[in-house]
Amino acid sequence: TQLLEQSPQFLSIQEGENLTVYCNSSSVFSSLQWYRQEPGEGPVLLVTVVTGGEVKKLKRLTFQFGDARKDSSLHITAAQPGDTGLYLCAGERHVDSSYKLIFGSGTRLLVRP
Amino acid sequence: SQTIHQWPATLVQPVGSPLSLECTVEGTSNPNLYWYRQAAGRGLQLLFYSVGIGQISSEVPQNLSASRPQDRQFILSSKKLLLSDSGFYLCAWSSSKEQYFGPGTRLTVT
Repeated sequence: TQLLEQSPQFLSIQEGENLTVYCNSSSVFSSLQWYRQEPGEGPVLLVTVVTGGEVKKLKRLTFQFGDARKDSSLHITAAQPGDTGLYLCAGERHVDSSYKLIFGSGTRLLVRP
Repeated sequence: SQTIHQWPATLVQPVGSPLSLECTVEGTSNPNLYWYRQAAGRGLQLLFYSVGIGQISSEVPQNLSASRPQDRQFILSSKKLLLSDSGFYLCAWSSSKEQYFGPGTRLTVT
């Protein structure tokens, strides 16, 4: 069974601080996606990383895919209260003609004003 | 543009009652469709996925079933609900790597 472990599980920080969330697995994935979810809503896709070592930036968010495509990190610079939410990583697997995502357990981020 | 709908948004059902949750997608053809369940504040567990009409793959043994009667319609059902079926149910579609999620249904079994 493939398992994606996210750390930390919960993070409470002050507005303006930096933070990093980690997503680790012993398995290799074709790609890895990061989602952000607010309470009572569906997850919203933030980014997809495909190539080992790839770095993508989305405003104050920086995503990196590990060289071996087994792990990823999300770094937020100068966090704002609007960044509060549940951050989920998901690794892609191909099964038949479908794409399956294996989700991590999530990191709940609270940014205090 | 593509949109995905789920209903109902919330549902409270007694143990032993039947269940039917519906998901429809607009703006795309022949999408892959997925049903997930999410425990409070946690990750998503894949329940079923479908690559076409009438084609259903089940991920875990459970009290639930899924059907795809039309290309853009995905239904999650149960004949008799259990307390453990409570949770947040999410439908998603994809045409490539990324998956796009519906707003979810909060199911409480009492």
